[in-house]
Amino acid sequence: QVQLQESGPGLVKPSQTLSLTCIFPGGSISSASDCWSWIRQPAGKGLEWIGQIQASGSTNYNPSLRGRVAISMDTSKNQFSLNLNSVTDADTAVYYCARRGANSGWSFDSWGQGTLVTVSS
Amino acid sequence: DIQMTQSPSSLSASVGDTVTITCRASQGIKNNLAWYQQKPGKAPKRLIYSASSLQSGVPSRFSGSGSGTEFTLTISSLQPEDFATYYCLQHDAYPLTFGGGTKVEIK
Repeated sequence: QVQLQESGPGLVKPSQTLSLTCIFPGGSISSASDCWSWIRQPAGKGLEWIGQIQASGSTNYNPSLRGRVAISMDTSKNQFSLNLNSVTDADTAVYYCARRGANSGWSFDSWGQGTLVTVSS
Repeated sequence: DIQMTQSPSSLSASVGDTVTITCRASQGIKNNLAWYQQKPGKAPKRLIYSASSLQSGVPSRFSGSGSGTEFTLTISSLQPEDFATYYCLQHDAYPLTFGGGTKVEIK
């Protein structure tokens, strides 16, 4: 399963903005048949879908994040990004980027290795 | 939101056992369900997609079934490397939602 790669700060202060980037070295994020998601997992807990972006720029977000989230993409750099503002310690988690698409049954077939983000002053 | 109720939350089994994990959706999701295996410190790995299609490279002892609201993942002849946590995912409607997970432990 093709790998993606997350990057970004591992420590964010409360009330600030968490920003992560995901690249897809093995292909292009410009494919019209793919969607690019962020998913998170607090330590010892389950998986939560944060949202996704498509090559068209169309986005879908989890309402549980109450408008704090924005996902964008830069096709020239073959990467997409997550911004989560007004973070609290409840946002401490491992964050994954993942791909799903028409050629893979529309569930996540490719994941990054995950990056731990800790919210702490 | 579509709630995915996964059961059991944990189970103990022995090598060679057959294990069944269930996911129930709060509303019909056709066959828009996948199963994942996650080991500590690793990203989830897809085992089954479209409810019953085996991911390439995944051993045939893993199988999925179901449609609508009831889905099962069966692991036949459990192997030492199968001890992990398993999650279902519904992708029929936004927000996409995961089951709570089933931890399969060694008896």
